[in-house]
Amino acid sequence: SQQGEEDPQALSIQEGENATMNCSYKTSINNLQWYRQNSGRGLVHLILIRSNEREKHSGRLRVTLDTSKKSSSLLITASRAADTASYFCATAYTGGFKTIFGAGTRLFVKA
Amino acid sequence: DTEVTQTPKHLVMGMTNKKSLKCEQHMGHRAMYWYKQKAKKPPELMFVYSYEKLSINESVPSRFSPECPNSSLLNLHLHALQPEDSALYLCASSGLADETQYFGPGTRLLVL
Repeated sequence: SQQGEEDPQALSIQEGENATMNCSYKTSINNLQWYRQNSGRGLVHLILIRSNEREKHSGRLRVTLDTSKKSSSLLITASRAADTASYFCATAYTGGFKTIFGAGTRLFVKA
Repeated sequence: DTEVTQTPKHLVMGMTNKKSLKCEQHMGHRAMYWYKQKAKKPPELMFVYSYEKLSINESVPSRFSPECPNSSLLNLHLHALQPEDSALYLCASSGLADETQYFGPGTRLLVL
């Protein structure tokens, strides 16, 4: 079964609004990563947060990690139409190459 | 150069054909991955190569055969595929285990 589960499955917002996506996982991890995928194309890495970190920022992105709840959130502030994409969290098992992707959140930003 | 390239972009093959997907990176990464992605689903890990040796095989059917000729190249040989194998096949690389993966654009495969 997948390590990460995400909600919501789909999110539709207006340009300028903030978008929040959540990810939950089941076992101990080394790090958690967020990726973006535009329709039918390769994934682009957004941000990596390690298990000993609680929050990380990159531009308009803010990621939090709560290892006690085994959950993470991705916040995109001041969204733009170009942010329309699918967003996946991915968790890496401690000590291994195995990366498991969550089901993904499909974000649609209306101009 | 942070690019992972994949060829071909699109591939249509019959169930009796033999074809290969190719992936290349020049970032000096020593881990390379194959993923399969069906429409509206997340990528599913198929194989991982670490230092040119197969380290993970996620119980993939033998009709998929990976090969890592050198540290920059990764191939996926396809033989006797089924229509349900139609998907987007993604290649990725990373410097170390658990690190950021860089993805190629994928090969969209259709099996007739």
